[in-house]
Amino acid sequence: AQKITQTQPGMFVQEKEAVTLDCTYDTSDPSYGLFWYKQPSSGEMIFLIYQGSYDQQNATEGRYSLNFQKARKSANLVISASQLGDSAMYFCAMREGRRVYNFNKFYFGSGTKLNVKP
Amino acid sequence: GAVVSQHPSWVICKSGTSVKIECRSLDFQATTMFWYRQFPKQSLMLMATSNEGSKATYEQGVEKDKFLINHASLTLSTLTVTSAHPEDSSFYICSARGTRDRSTDTQYFGPGTRLTVL
Repeated sequence: AQKITQTQPGMFVQEKEAVTLDCTYDTSDPSYGLFWYKQPSSGEMIFLIYQGSYDQQNATEGRYSLNFQKARKSANLVISASQLGDSAMYFCAMREGRRVYNFNKFYFGSGTKLNVKP
Repeated sequence: GAVVSQHPSWVICKSGTSVKIECRSLDFQATTMFWYRQFPKQSLMLMATSNEGSKATYEQGVEKDKFLINHASLTLSTLTVTSAHPEDSSFYICSARGTRDRSTDTQYFGPGTRLTVL
């Protein structure tokens, strides 16, 4: 089974509106971390936000928030007030806990291409 | 955020030559560095994980004699593509984790290197 699933290959959003990018994950480890990265056309991977499995509250970083639903194993990224510069690929990733061999390893989803329309 | 640099940003070489790519963490000590390969419109594929001062751990299917990884210091890792062939043409991106964000084990990525083998 895939560790990280992103079911939206592409999304469109109107400038200034909010958009939700979906991510579901699969792990039996009780301790894990979830990450979102943005990859503009230049290729660099920009870290956006982190959610730990034991965190009680949803993570927020400026216009980014993570809708963490542990029972559903989902970690959706919400971008509020979309800007043209938000157009990029977005990747969801997971790291499992330190008890797991090779806990360093990140599992990446296939990505979602977000296009913000003016 | 943390800064990871990569050099060169792009390189064109002839088939049969070797190419070295450098990855540096500029503002933190990177105890672990990762090398990824990314094909157009696809997700990142982990090639190998390297810990400072020890041999790299390669993912299944990655030829360690072809992709030589050295992590000689806490701020520098190098990937050498030996006897490069056109099928090695790709986008190579490194990441680092270490003394920054220990509790989350966030990976910070370099800007990537686009390799074209003629």
